[in-house]
Amino acid sequence: QLQLQESGPGLAKPSETLSLKCTVSGGSISSSGSYWDWIRQPPGKGLEWIGNVFYSGSTNYNPSLKSRVTISVDTSKNQFSLRLTSVTAADTAVYYCAARKPNAAVNCWGQGALVTVSS
Amino acid sequence: DIQMTQSPSTLSAVVGDRVTITCRASQSMSSWLAWYQQKPGKAPKLLIYKASSLESGVPSRFRGSGFGTEFTLTINSLQPDDFATYYCQQYDSFPLTFGGGTKVEIK
Repeated sequence: QLQLQESGPGLAKPSETLSLKCTVSGGSISSSGSYWDWIRQPPGKGLEWIGNVFYSGSTNYNPSLKSRVTISVDTSKNQFSLRLTSVTAADTAVYYCAARKPNAAVNCWGQGALVTVSS
Repeated sequence: DIQMTQSPSTLSAVVGDRVTITCRASQSMSSWLAWYQQKPGKAPKLLIYKASSLESGVPSRFRGSGFGTEFTLTINSLQPDDFATYYCQQYDSFPLTFGGGTKVEIK
């Protein structure tokens, strides 16, 4: 059974870069034919899709964040990662990593990682 | 982008009620529409995919329907475990987008 676990600093300073990793267990990130997604949720608010990386390495990003986001995959570590540059308080959120097949809903979620942007 | 408008934002109900949540898309889309349930401090849980298909293990009192621009989630005979927030999501095209959520609370 596929399991995802986010890891990374829980605090980022304004104007700096937020970095998170998602470790995949129970399956191979490179052979599953899956999209590997990042989704975030500000405290008390709704869900926002950030973007994804396909197992091949191709990416799709939310246009609202595209200029600041990089999502990549490290097949040697069975991980994928998120980098969000020039963060502000508005980027404070619980960040979820997730997995889905093409033309499928998200059926596997990490537990979420709270990242607070504050000086 | 396909914008998803969910209503109501809050719904008060009692155990045993039938509740309906609506999600409207800003443009006609295929049936790549999902419904999720989220409880405080937890990741969302998939309930319905492809507009009307029930995810494995989800009770049959959850029903999804709709097509085009209007989709609904119906919960028949609301149970205590169903008090939560529900989100729709379209995965018809990038960027994936979510509705704003519907909180189902105890009346």
